[in-house]
Amino acid sequence: ETGVTQTPRHLVMGMTNKKSLKCEQHLGHNAMYWYKQSAKKPLELMFVYNFKEQTENNSVPSRFSPECPNSSHLFLHLHTLQPEDSALYLCASSHFGGRARDTEAFFGQGTRLTVV
Amino acid sequence: RKEVEQDPGPFNVPEGATVAFNCTYSNSASQSFFWYRQDCRKEPKLLMSVYSSGNEDGRFTAQLNRASQYISLLIRDSKLSDSATYLCVVTLNQAGTALIFGKGTTLSVSS
Repeated sequence: ETGVTQTPRHLVMGMTNKKSLKCEQHLGHNAMYWYKQSAKKPLELMFVYNFKEQTENNSVPSRFSPECPNSSHLFLHLHTLQPEDSALYLCASSHFGGRARDTEAFFGQGTRLTVV
Repeated sequence: RKEVEQDPGPFNVPEGATVAFNCTYSNSASQSFFWYRQDCRKEPKLLMSVYSSGNEDGRFTAQLNRASQYISLLIRDSKLSDSATYLCVVTLNQAGTALIFGKGTTLSVSS
């Protein structure tokens, strides 16, 4: 049973829809991340939040909008997506501020998004 | 130059074989290094951290060469259950605030 839970597991949305992905971690971590995994491409870092503050935005288009209301929850709001945005979206959490070698990230099972 | 580069494989080996994966990274400020494992249609999970002195965990040995910005993973006595994609991972910066993943190397162990 993973300490990082993502919902929904699968999502099909039209290009004009607005939807949100949710991530919740029960590990007491203070850093949370969104990654995108497309077919035959490496995991791409999208956003990083440390102590609820966004510290990294990896040149992600504005049609993706993250929200981190507290250190346990992370959302990814989606609007006017394109078919090429179809991918597996993975949330992860870790402890920030300790030894660098302790930066193990725990992943949720992901949301498989299809944009039609 | 890509931040983390790996040979994508696939590596197809028989049970009992020894297999080695290599990885290079571009950001000299990276401080932490890891190997993650990802099974088909599952999320990545930490396999082991990689230390400058090298470290071993059972059949798995990881090595780091900071001067060459090179990381390796050696798997001895391969098992069928080792079949997966192995991801080389480095921290984004000295603060270690985020992990950057390589594309992964696919291993298939057959009987």
